[in-house]
Amino acid sequence: GAGVSQSPSNKVTEKGKDVELRCDPISGHTALYWYRQSLGQGLEFLIYFQGNSAPDKSGLPSDRFSAERTGGSVSTLTIQRTQQEDSAVYLCASSLYSGLDGYTFGSGTRLTVV
Amino acid sequence: KQEVTQIPAALSVPEGENLVLNCSFTDSAIYNLQWFRQDPGKGLTSLLLIQSSQREQTSGRLNASLDKSSGRSTLYIAASQPGDSATYLCAVRVSSNTGKLIFGQGTTLQVKP
Repeated sequence: GAGVSQSPSNKVTEKGKDVELRCDPISGHTALYWYRQSLGQGLEFLIYFQGNSAPDKSGLPSDRFSAERTGGSVSTLTIQRTQQEDSAVYLCASSLYSGLDGYTFGSGTRLTVV
Repeated sequence: KQEVTQIPAALSVPEGENLVLNCSFTDSAIYNLQWFRQDPGKGLTSLLLIQSSQREQTSGRLNASLDKSSGRSTLYIAASQPGDSATYLCAVRVSSNTGKLIFGQGTTLQVKP
């Protein structure tokens, strides 16, 4: 596609439920990233996928968070047993492997846990 | 540990002024630095990317400079317009081996008509 597409744009869920957030990167971009933006916290790195390499999961805040990337394209971020502190905007970005070009971000998914 | 700081946190200027946003980072060993713009409730829009070997990049009324040795980057906006009102974020990529960007807290700019 022309840009990075994220769905849903908004998600309200009850505490304790599981949620799945989807990211469709720019076609041809081999690198995909998930970030989280909370009020007053700035942008926080979560996970990075590059081609067929093992993902860099160093930013995932707990084992309730997981992500996968199928076929080197679409990625799903899953949060199990959601907590109120998980409320944030979850942003996905993609880039070419070379890093010579910058990152393109999607519009994000605003998650609210009630 | 790399840390990125942006000063000021907020800035309000009248339309037409030239302005400078500042970004500093604690470790000069960076791969590249990128400036983004974020409008309320929206994602990030990439403005300029400076590789570690470069000194500056220009796009229209925007000019970004990079001084690795002093750990600083500036974003210069010429002839500011109300449409420039947004939050501006700088982000450092520390190496080619990691996709992790380290972001500053941002500068929220308001340009008054």
